[in-house]
Amino acid sequence: LAKTTQPISMDSYEGQEVNITCSHNNIATNDYITWYQQFPSQGPRFIIQGYKTKVTNEVASLFIPADRKSSTLSLPRVSLSDTAVYYCLVVSSFFGNEKLTFGTGTRLTIIP
Amino acid sequence: DTAVSQTPKYLVTQMGNDKSIKCEQNLGHDTMYWYKQDSKKFLKIMFSYNNKELIINETVPNRFSPKSPDKAHLNLHINSLELGDSAVYFCASSQEGEAVNYQETQYFGPGTRLLVL
Repeated sequence: LAKTTQPISMDSYEGQEVNITCSHNNIATNDYITWYQQFPSQGPRFIIQGYKTKVTNEVASLFIPADRKSSTLSLPRVSLSDTAVYYCLVVSSFFGNEKLTFGTGTRLTIIP
Repeated sequence: DTAVSQTPKYLVTQMGNDKSIKCEQNLGHDTMYWYKQDSKKFLKIMFSYNNKELIINETVPNRFSPKSPDKAHLNLHINSLELGDSAVYFCASSQEGEAVNYQETQYFGPGTRLLVL
């Protein structure tokens, strides 16, 4: 099982770039790294997914070093609406009894 | 238009009762899941179903039983409810990718807030 560890909370000002790091020391070869965003009273929402190096979409970037033991979610120029809990998830193939592991989540608060 | 829907949205009940939470997805996905989110916001998987077959079952009490009448539905039945069952329960679905090493995205429902008194 690839257990994940994230900071419990982070604060940032509007307009700043925010980087949230997730540790997954026991990540396996077939594991992918996925980040979700959750607003209060809502279900988690997919943000970005990657296997190695860098992935970028319209919302965020995901940086994964060569050893893949950690990953960093980067949110450019955050706004108040980015205040949410961010979960790091390591997902294995479902051919077999692999277990899904969510991180503890990082509560990001954006300050005006 | 909703991708993953759950009913009811809120559920307040007494200890010892039996209740069900329903989940439906209209995305044509192969796999559906149930998660429990406790008061500390930890999100833990409980079950997943792929083609009507249980493939993951975390160490949850056997009072919890998932039931899937078809690929689009995964209901959660809870017997003899206890105070500790109070939480938000999320349903999710995903479609296994066809490409090698592709990992699917999970789509979550809005959650069912269960309060056991």
